[in-house]
Amino acid sequence: DADVTQTPRNRITKTGKRIMLECSQTKGHDRMYWYRQDPGLGLRLIYYSFDVKDINKGEISDGYSVSRQAQAKFSLSLESAIPNQTALYFCATSQSSGLSYNEQFFGPGTRLTVL
Amino acid sequence: DQQVKQNSPSLSVQEGRISILNCDYTNSMFDYFLWYKKYPAEGPTFLISISSIKDKNEDGRFTVFLNKSAKHLSLHIVPSQPGDSAVYFCAASPIIQGAQKLVFGQGTRLTINP
Repeated sequence: DADVTQTPRNRITKTGKRIMLECSQTKGHDRMYWYRQDPGLGLRLIYYSFDVKDINKGEISDGYSVSRQAQAKFSLSLESAIPNQTALYFCATSQSSGLSYNEQFFGPGTRLTVL
Repeated sequence: DQQVKQNSPSLSVQEGRISILNCDYTNSMFDYFLWYKKYPAEGPTFLISISSIKDKNEDGRFTVFLNKSAKHLSLHIVPSQPGDSAVYFCAASPIIQGAQKLVFGQGTRLTINP
């Protein structure tokens, strides 16, 4: 079984609809992240959470919200989807260890299309 | 403003030869650098990393070089194999209060030709 799972894997929706993307992990990591990937722009950080009670905005948080329901679950919501939110969305996890860096592990991605 | 740049969108290399992927950054606060590899329909997977206190890190066929004065890093793959065909992302992180926020480059699509 995959350590980081994302649902749905693909979603097509219409402008103005509310959408939720879900991420679950079995790695036991405390930190979770949401990124979006656009052609020619690489991955950009939307939100990140260092534990259940700690949520922070990333580089491009406008139009998005998140919920950390449990250590293993981190959801991304688009309250009113717009076409320029069409992208590939990735969830990632990592384990904190003071000032040392630990790699982030990514889920398989959710391809979202907003018509 | 793109803080991490991969100026080559694509690279084609003969199997068995060396692949060199390049990455430039502008933020002097970055002190940890990583390369991720991504296959279609999968998430990025960690490949190799380097701390700013080093100038080289090697792991099997993969070597990352860091030139802090030029704010440049490169990934060398020797010898290149067909399975190395993928998109490679360079990423950088400032370690501030334990933060691990990655800033990614645009990616370079590497194709290994038989």
